[in-house]
Amino acid sequence: QKEVEQDPGPLSVPEGAIVSLNCTYSNSAFQYFMWYRQYSRKGPELLMYTYSSGNKEDGRFTAQVDKSSKYISLFIRDSQPSDSATYLCAMAQAGTALIFGKGTTLSVSS
Amino acid sequence: DADVTQTPRNRITKTGKRIMLECSQTKGHDRMYWYRQDPGLGLRLIYYSFDVKDINKGEISDGYSVSRQAQAKFSLSLESAIPNQTALYFCATSDPAGGNTQYFGPGTRLTVL
Repeated sequence: QKEVEQDPGPLSVPEGAIVSLNCTYSNSAFQYFMWYRQYSRKGPELLMYTYSSGNKEDGRFTAQVDKSSKYISLFIRDSQPSDSATYLCAMAQAGTALIFGKGTTLSVSS
Repeated sequence: DADVTQTPRNRITKTGKRIMLECSQTKGHDRMYWYRQDPGLGLRLIYYSFDVKDINKGEISDGYSVSRQAQAKFSLSLESAIPNQTALYFCATSDPAGGNTQYFGPGTRLTVL
């Protein structure tokens, strides 16, 4: 079992839809959870950061961490064509390098 | 100016050639990383360095070497390039006080013929 699992998609939704992106993990020692967004031919950029469990909201984006289920989610409300990108989850223990999921490709059509 | 820069941005080379990819950062972070990204395989860690005197192998270090010349500079070398090293290479930095958040460069697209 890989440490971090992420469905690669692709996921296609109409503009305005609510998008749910998910990752599961196996290492219960992970404490830091992040979502990165990567546009084509660009480097990944940090979108959301959560320490330990709970929810975090930033505009149209909400990140959730459920450590009991080893499951993290990213929700995008009122999705826009500009949200079309690859979304990567990432997580780490204290003092270690990030482990990335393989990424989910999202396409939002207008 | 970008906080993390990579040179070159694109490179085409031939099998057996030695290649160096360079990364510079102005974020003042001690930690630097090299990843490669392949379709369907995601980001895979090649090497990382937590300070100038610290070098660690990542998941896929075979065929690669690195040099940490200064806090701001971290180079990746392919001693004898082979076609399956064709990929998109990213450098990243992080600040441990920032919870391991990593900041990525724009990437180098390397093609080995």
